[in-house]
Amino acid sequence: AQKVTQAQTEISVVEKEDVTLDCVYETRDTTYYLFWYKQPPSGELVFLIRRNSFDEQNEISGRYSWNFQKSTSSFNFTITASQVVDSAVYFCALSPTIYNQGGKLIFGQGTELSVKP
Amino acid sequence: DTGVSQDPRHKITKRGQNVTFRCDPISEHNRLYWYRQTLGQGPEFLTYFQNEAQLEKSRLLSDRFSAERPKGSFSTLEIQRTEQGDSAMYLCASSNTNEGSLYGYTFGSGTRLTVV
Repeated sequence: AQKVTQAQTEISVVEKEDVTLDCVYETRDTTYYLFWYKQPPSGELVFLIRRNSFDEQNEISGRYSWNFQKSTSSFNFTITASQVVDSAVYFCALSPTIYNQGGKLIFGQGTELSVKP
Repeated sequence: DTGVSQDPRHKITKRGQNVTFRCDPISEHNRLYWYRQTLGQGPEFLTYFQNEAQLEKSRLLSDRFSAERPKGSFSTLEIQRTEQGDSAMYLCASSNTNEGSLYGYTFGSGTRLTVV
C-alpha cells in the first residue's frame, strides 16, 4: 500500500527561525515521484518541488531546501529564516509511478506552519 | 492561460439536493483529476480522465457521484442526494502527460461544498 505520513500536525515558530517539516512515505514501487505543495488560506495548492526516486541529491531553492533519503523513505523540507508569508499548510505527496507521467497523488495529512512576527 | 478554473467557489445546499461542479483545465492538458479535501486532511483522490476517458475511480466515489469530461475539455462532478458527509472542498487539477511536466499538476482553487 502507498502512504504518506506527516507526523507534525502543527508547528509554530518565530520569524527568522529555521523549521523542518517531516515526511515519511511507503511504497512498493521502485520508481516514483515525491512532491511538496503549499496551501495558503486561499485554498489553492501551490507546487513547490518534484523529486523522482532516481535522484537523491538534496536541492536548495532560495530559503527552501529538501532532503531526500531513500534509505529511510523520507523527504523532509526545511525553510531557512522563516517569514510570516510562509504561514500555510504544507503537504507532502507521492505519485506511485514515474513512467505514468502525471499519475494520481497520494497526500499526507499536512503540517500547518504558523510563523509569528 | 489563466490556470485551472473551478465554478462555483462556494456552494451551500440542503441535504438530499443534487449539486454539480465544473472544472476548466489548462487547455493543453490531457489529464484532469478530481480530489476531495475535508478539514484538517490532505486531498484524497476521487477520479481522473485522460482526454474524455475516465480511467480510474476511487472507492471513495460512491454511486451518488458521477463525473464526466465530454470532448476531453471541461469536466463536471455531480453529487446526487447530498449528505452532510459530502461537505468538503472539491479540488480539480490538470496535467499533461505528453510533456512529462516538471510541475506535475496545476490545481484549481476548489469548490467548497456545505450540506446543511
